[in-house]
Amino acid sequence: ELKVEQNPLFLSMQEGKNYTIYCNYSTTSDRLYWYRQDPGKSLESLFVLLSNGAVKQEGRLMASLDTKARLSTLHITAAVHDLSATYFCAVDINTNAGKSTFGDGTTLTVKP
Amino acid sequence: EAGVTQSPTHLIKTRGQQATLRCSPISGHTSVYWYQQALGLGLQFLLWYDEGEERNRGNFPPRFSGRQFPNYSSELNVNALELEDSALYLCASSLGVGGTEAFFGQGTRLTVV
Repeated sequence: ELKVEQNPLFLSMQEGKNYTIYCNYSTTSDRLYWYRQDPGKSLESLFVLLSNGAVKQEGRLMASLDTKARLSTLHITAAVHDLSATYFCAVDINTNAGKSTFGDGTTLTVKP
Repeated sequence: EAGVTQSPTHLIKTRGQQATLRCSPISGHTSVYWYQQALGLGLQFLLWYDEGEERNRGNFPPRFSGRQFPNYSSELNVNALELEDSALYLCASSLGVGGTEAFFGQGTRLTVV
Protein backbone atom coordinates (compact mmCIF):
# COMPACT_ATOMS: atom_id res chain seq x y z
CA GLU A 1 0.00 0.00 0.00
CA LEU A 2 1.29 3.41 -0.95
CA LYS A 3 2.14 5.70 1.94
CA VAL A 4 2.77 9.40 1.53
CA GLU A 5 4.41 11.29 4.35
CA GLN A 6 4.82 15.02 4.59
CA ASN A 7 6.92 16.92 7.02
CA PRO A 8 6.64 19.08 8.83
CA LEU A 9 2.90 18.96 9.47
CA PHE A 10 2.91 22.45 10.93
CA LEU A 11 5.24 25.26 9.99
CA SER A 12 5.35 28.77 11.33
CA MET A 13 7.73 31.11 9.58
CA GLN A 14 8.62 34.75 9.50
CA GLU A 15 8.02 36.78 6.39
CA GLY A 16 11.08 36.92 4.20
CA LYS A 17 12.46 33.56 5.29
CA ASN A 18 13.02 30.44 3.22
CA TYR A 19 11.86 26.96 4.04
CA THR A 20 11.26 23.53 2.49
CA ILE A 21 8.39 21.08 2.86
CA TYR A 22 9.21 17.43 2.23
CA CYS A 23 7.07 14.70 0.73
CA ASN A 24 8.23 11.09 0.89
CA TYR A 25 6.37 8.22 -0.72
CA SER A 26 6.81 4.51 -0.39
CA THR A 27 6.52 3.05 -3.92
CA THR A 28 7.38 3.94 -7.47
CA SER A 29 5.12 6.68 -8.73
CA ASP A 30 3.71 7.76 -12.08
CA ARG A 31 3.31 11.35 -11.04
CA LEU A 32 3.25 13.69 -8.08
CA TYR A 33 1.11 16.74 -7.38
CA TRP A 34 1.26 19.68 -5.03
CA TYR A 35 -1.95 21.40 -3.97
CA ARG A 36 -2.80 24.37 -1.84
CA GLN A 37 -5.89 24.56 0.36
CA ASP A 38 -7.10 27.68 2.15
CA PRO A 39 -9.28 27.20 5.25
CA GLY A 40 -12.75 25.97 4.32
CA LYS A 41 -11.89 26.02 0.64
CA SER A 42 -11.15 23.48 -2.05
CA LEU A 43 -7.79 22.39 -3.39
CA GLU A 44 -5.91 24.48 -5.88
CA SER A 45 -3.46 22.68 -8.12
CA LEU A 46 0.05 24.12 -7.88
CA PHE A 47 2.38 21.70 -9.66
CA VAL A 48 2.37 18.39 -11.52
CA LEU A 49 5.72 16.58 -11.58
CA LEU A 50 6.06 13.76 -14.06
CA SER A 51 9.67 12.68 -14.22
CA ASN A 52 12.84 12.34 -12.22
CA GLY A 53 14.60 15.64 -11.82
CA ALA A 54 11.52 17.67 -12.71
CA VAL A 55 11.57 21.16 -11.29
CA LYS A 56 8.76 23.67 -11.55
CA GLN A 57 8.51 27.18 -10.21
CA GLU A 58 5.67 29.60 -9.73
CA GLY A 59 6.36 32.82 -7.91
CA ARG A 60 7.90 32.10 -4.52
CA LEU A 61 7.22 28.36 -4.74
CA MET A 62 9.44 25.77 -6.37
CA ALA A 63 8.76 22.05 -6.50
CA SER A 64 11.16 19.27 -7.39
CA LEU A 65 11.00 15.51 -7.75
CA ASP A 66 13.60 12.81 -7.11
CA THR A 67 12.01 9.53 -8.10
CA LYS A 68 15.01 7.49 -7.04
CA ALA A 69 14.80 8.83 -3.50
CA ARG A 70 10.97 8.87 -3.71
CA LEU A 71 11.08 12.43 -2.50
CA SER A 72 9.55 15.70 -3.57
CA THR A 73 10.25 19.08 -2.05
CA LEU A 74 8.28 22.31 -2.06
CA HIS A 75 10.62 25.21 -1.44
CA ILE A 76 9.32 28.56 -0.27
CA THR A 77 11.44 31.59 -0.98
CA ALA A 78 11.08 34.87 0.92
CA ALA A 79 7.72 33.90 2.40
CA VAL A 80 4.85 36.38 2.47
CA HIS A 81 1.64 36.27 4.49
CA ASP A 82 -0.44 35.33 1.44
CA LEU A 83 1.31 31.97 1.32
CA SER A 84 -0.34 30.93 4.60
CA ALA A 85 -2.37 27.81 3.73
CA THR A 86 -2.22 24.03 3.94
CA TYR A 87 -0.10 22.36 1.28
CA PHE A 88 -0.71 18.79 0.21
CA CYS A 89 1.35 16.49 -1.91
CA ALA A 90 -0.39 13.63 -3.68
CA VAL A 91 1.00 10.64 -5.53
CA ASP A 92 -0.35 8.41 -8.28
CA ILE A 93 1.26 4.99 -8.49
CA ASN A 94 -0.90 3.90 -11.36
CA THR A 95 -2.81 6.42 -13.42
CA ASN A 96 -5.21 3.65 -14.40
CA ALA A 97 -6.24 3.24 -10.77
CA GLY A 98 -7.67 6.73 -10.89
CA LYS A 99 -6.88 7.70 -7.36
CA SER A 100 -4.28 9.89 -5.78
CA THR A 101 -2.93 9.15 -2.34
CA PHE A 102 -2.54 12.33 -0.34
CA GLY A 103 -0.15 13.27 2.39
CA ASP A 104 -1.58 14.67 5.62
CA GLY A 105 -0.77 18.22 4.60
CA THR A 106 1.54 20.89 5.91
CA THR A 107 -0.15 23.87 7.51
CA LEU A 108 1.97 26.92 6.86
CA THR A 109 1.58 30.13 8.83
CA VAL A 110 3.63 33.11 7.72
CA LYS A 111 3.96 35.79 10.37
CA PRO A 112 4.91 39.42 9.82
CA GLU B 1 -14.68 28.25 -18.70
CA ALA B 2 -16.55 26.88 -15.71
CA GLY B 3 -14.64 24.77 -13.26
CA VAL B 4 -15.88 21.78 -11.31
CA THR B 5 -19.11 22.70 -9.56
CA GLN B 6 -20.63 20.94 -6.58
CA SER B 7 -24.00 21.26 -4.92
CA PRO B 8 -25.14 21.90 -2.34
CA THR B 9 -22.40 23.88 -0.64
CA HIS B 10 -23.65 22.89 2.79
CA LEU B 11 -25.89 20.05 3.86
CA ILE B 12 -27.21 19.22 7.30
CA LYS B 13 -28.74 15.82 7.88
CA THR B 14 -29.87 13.74 10.80
CA ARG B 15 -28.23 10.46 11.70
CA GLY B 16 -29.83 7.62 9.74
CA GLN B 17 -30.95 9.80 6.85
CA GLN B 18 -29.60 9.74 3.30
CA ALA B 19 -27.53 12.45 1.65
CA THR B 20 -27.09 13.13 -2.06
CA LEU B 21 -24.23 15.25 -3.28
CA ARG B 22 -23.81 16.40 -6.88
CA CYS B 23 -20.87 17.26 -9.07
CA SER B 24 -20.55 18.71 -12.57
CA PRO B 25 -17.11 18.22 -14.12
CA ILE B 26 -15.22 20.61 -16.34
CA SER B 27 -16.52 20.45 -19.89
CA GLY B 28 -14.71 17.71 -21.80
CA HIS B 29 -13.64 15.82 -18.69
CA THR B 30 -14.93 12.28 -18.51
CA SER B 31 -13.49 11.20 -15.16
CA VAL B 32 -14.96 12.21 -11.82
CA TYR B 33 -13.40 11.46 -8.45
CA TRP B 34 -14.87 11.76 -4.98
CA TYR B 35 -12.81 12.35 -1.84
CA GLN B 36 -13.74 12.71 1.81
CA GLN B 37 -11.89 15.18 4.00
CA ALA B 38 -12.88 14.77 7.62
CA LEU B 39 -11.87 17.46 10.09
CA GLY B 40 -8.21 17.22 10.93
CA LEU B 41 -7.65 14.37 8.50
CA GLY B 42 -6.26 14.17 5.01
CA LEU B 43 -8.15 13.41 1.86
CA GLN B 44 -9.44 9.87 1.57
CA PHE B 45 -10.30 8.50 -1.85
CA LEU B 46 -13.92 7.39 -2.18
CA LEU B 47 -14.85 6.65 -5.79
CA TRP B 48 -13.74 7.10 -9.37
CA TYR B 49 -16.12 7.17 -12.33
CA ASP B 50 -15.17 7.29 -15.96
CA GLU B 51 -17.42 7.05 -19.00
CA GLY B 52 -20.37 6.22 -16.81
CA GLU B 53 -18.77 3.31 -14.98
CA GLU B 54 -17.30 2.89 -11.53
CA ARG B 55 -13.58 2.29 -12.09
CA ASN B 56 -12.23 2.16 -8.57
CA ARG B 57 -13.42 2.41 -5.02
CA GLY B 58 -11.72 3.36 -1.79
CA ASN B 59 -11.98 1.62 1.54
CA PHE B 60 -15.46 2.81 2.47
CA PRO B 61 -18.58 0.82 3.39
CA PRO B 62 -21.22 0.04 0.74
CA ARG B 63 -23.53 2.73 2.08
CA PHE B 64 -21.29 5.12 0.16
CA SER B 65 -22.31 4.80 -3.47
CA GLY B 66 -22.68 6.91 -6.55
CA ARG B 67 -23.16 7.06 -10.24
CA GLN B 68 -22.12 9.00 -13.29
CA PHE B 69 -24.63 10.23 -15.81
CA PRO B 70 -24.31 10.36 -19.62
CA ASN B 71 -23.34 14.03 -19.41
CA TYR B 72 -20.49 12.97 -17.04
CA SER B 73 -21.97 14.67 -14.01
CA SER B 74 -21.97 12.55 -10.90
CA GLU B 75 -23.85 11.89 -7.71
CA LEU B 76 -22.54 10.63 -4.41
CA ASN B 77 -25.08 8.99 -2.13
CA VAL B 78 -24.48 8.27 1.51
CA ASN B 79 -27.10 6.09 3.17
CA ALA B 80 -27.76 5.52 6.86
CA LEU B 81 -25.73 8.56 7.82
CA GLU B 82 -23.50 8.35 10.85
CA LEU B 83 -22.03 11.20 12.85
CA GLU B 84 -18.54 10.38 11.59
CA ASP B 85 -19.67 10.98 8.02
CA SER B 86 -19.52 14.69 8.77
CA ALA B 87 -16.82 15.99 6.46
CA LEU B 88 -15.99 18.06 3.42
CA TYR B 89 -16.69 16.01 0.30
CA LEU B 90 -14.62 17.04 -2.65
CA CYS B 91 -15.25 16.18 -6.26
CA ALA B 92 -12.56 16.41 -8.92
CA SER B 93 -12.51 15.84 -12.64
CA SER B 94 -9.88 15.03 -15.23
CA LEU B 95 -9.62 14.16 -18.89
CA GLY B 96 -10.03 10.45 -18.20
CA VAL B 97 -8.01 7.27 -17.83
CA GLY B 98 -4.35 8.12 -17.73
CA GLY B 99 -5.32 11.74 -17.93
CA THR B 100 -3.44 14.61 -16.45
CA GLU B 101 -4.09 16.43 -13.21
CA ALA B 102 -7.45 16.53 -11.54
CA PHE B 103 -9.22 19.79 -10.80
CA PHE B 104 -11.24 20.08 -7.64
CA GLY B 105 -14.61 21.63 -6.94
CA GLN B 106 -15.32 23.80 -3.93
CA GLY B 107 -16.74 20.91 -1.94
CA THR B 108 -19.90 20.06 -0.05
CA ARG B 109 -19.76 20.41 3.71
CA LEU B 110 -21.92 17.62 5.14
CA THR B 111 -22.87 17.83 8.78
CA VAL B 112 -24.64 14.92 10.44
CA VAL B 113 -26.41 15.73 13.70
